[in-house]
Amino acid sequence: DGGITQSPKYLFRKEGQNVTLSCEQNLNHDAMYWYRQDPGQGLRLIYYSQIVNDFQKGDIAEGYSVSREKKESFPLTVTSAQKNPTAFYLCASRRGTGGFWNTEAFFGQGTRLTVV
Amino acid sequence: GQNIDQPTEMTATEGAIVQINCTYQTSGFNGLFWYQQHAGEAPTFLSYNVLDGLEEKGRFSSFLSRSKGYSYLLLKELQMKDSASYLCAAYVNSGAGSYQLTFGKGTKLSVIP
Repeated sequence: DGGITQSPKYLFRKEGQNVTLSCEQNLNHDAMYWYRQDPGQGLRLIYYSQIVNDFQKGDIAEGYSVSREKKESFPLTVTSAQKNPTAFYLCASRRGTGGFWNTEAFFGQGTRLTVV
Repeated sequence: GQNIDQPTEMTATEGAIVQINCTYQTSGFNGLFWYQQHAGEAPTFLSYNVLDGLEEKGRFSSFLSRSKGYSYLLLKELQMKDSASYLCAAYVNSGAGSYQLTFGKGTKLSVIP
């Protein structure tokens, strides 16, 4: 079955440590996105990528880093520079990069990161 | 910058109709998504409007007016399971062939008996 997979579902990190969240899709989608969601809030864009080896900063990129070495993979690293990393992290992918592709963005099930 | 506004919370009665509004001020606008999100879960796709007008899909309909920067999601024959957050998202061309998907803060809908 095609889909987008995030792992792990729950992650605990000690303050000051870097941690990497996995996002893999087998939908052959070009575009991939990382969002952060805080309780009672909407989704805020961290990074996005249109093609392999290229990515752009979203609205809240500080303290995060990404890579896009393969089309199917878009891992997110939460660095120790991120002041308040505890949140629900969602990865999404979409087939086309143009606006007139009438296709939805598919979401993974999310990773809940807690800093202890 | 991008600005997307929607009401924070709404309450409606089972069996009724509810309209959730979304206004946006964005540059490079290409289209508008609506997603449903139950607490603690990933968002699920409801609709995508590119052109002006109404798109109907079962109990859910979505409307877009590009000139007014306005969209709404209409839910008919409300069921208790429709209690969720509804997220409005704009797909925008951020320049140099780059497109981003920007979400509003979501509207939490409570359906009561």
